[in-house]
Amino acid sequence: SQQGEEDPQALSIQEGENATMNCSYKTSINNLQWYRQNSGRGLVHLILIRSNEREKHSGRLRVTLDTSKKSSSLLITASRAADTASYFCATHQNDMRFGAGTRLTVKP
Amino acid sequence: DVKVTQSSRYLVKRTGEKVFLECVQDMDHENMFWYRQDPGLGLRLIYFSYDVKMKEKGDIPEGYSVSREKKERFSLILESASTNQTSMYLCASSVFTGFANEKLFFGSGTQLSVL
Repeated sequence: SQQGEEDPQALSIQEGENATMNCSYKTSINNLQWYRQNSGRGLVHLILIRSNEREKHSGRLRVTLDTSKKSSSLLITASRAADTASYFCATHQNDMRFGAGTRLTVKP
Repeated sequence: DVKVTQSSRYLVKRTGEKVFLECVQDMDHENMFWYRQDPGLGLRLIYFSYDVKMKEKGDIPEGYSVSREKKERFSLILESASTNQTSMYLCASSVFTGFANEKLFFGSGTQLSVL
């Protein structure tokens, strides 16, 4: 069964606004990762946060992890039209499990 | 640059055919994965391998098998293709640090249509 569940399923914002996506998972994890997928292509790794970390930054990306709530969030600040893509969280326990993704549309 | 190569971008097969999807990585990674992706369902793990000749079932192994004879190559086999196996298939590889999988590197995917 899928480990991660992203919320919302779809998000539409204007360029310059911030985008927040959430991920909930079911069991204990070693780390949680976020990936991006442009239409019909393979996934690209964005950021990894370990189970003993609470927050991590990479450029315009900010990821938080709350292991007590089994949830994570991905914040993209000052969004651009080029950020339009699907975003997936993935959790590592014994293998790598992905959620169904959030489809982000950034309007110019 | 890191590369995971899937042999075909698009593939059309007939029901009942035996189908081979090939994946090759050039990063000397121990771990390799096969996922299928369907609209609204995200990525579902079919099989994975942490070493040569080793395989583990994922969530949806029924109707599939895998082969890993060499470290760089991980093949997905549809023994008798069916229409419900029409999907995007994604291969990935990663380094295992002994504690956790570091990031996965994905191929571009194979869109398989079974008629």
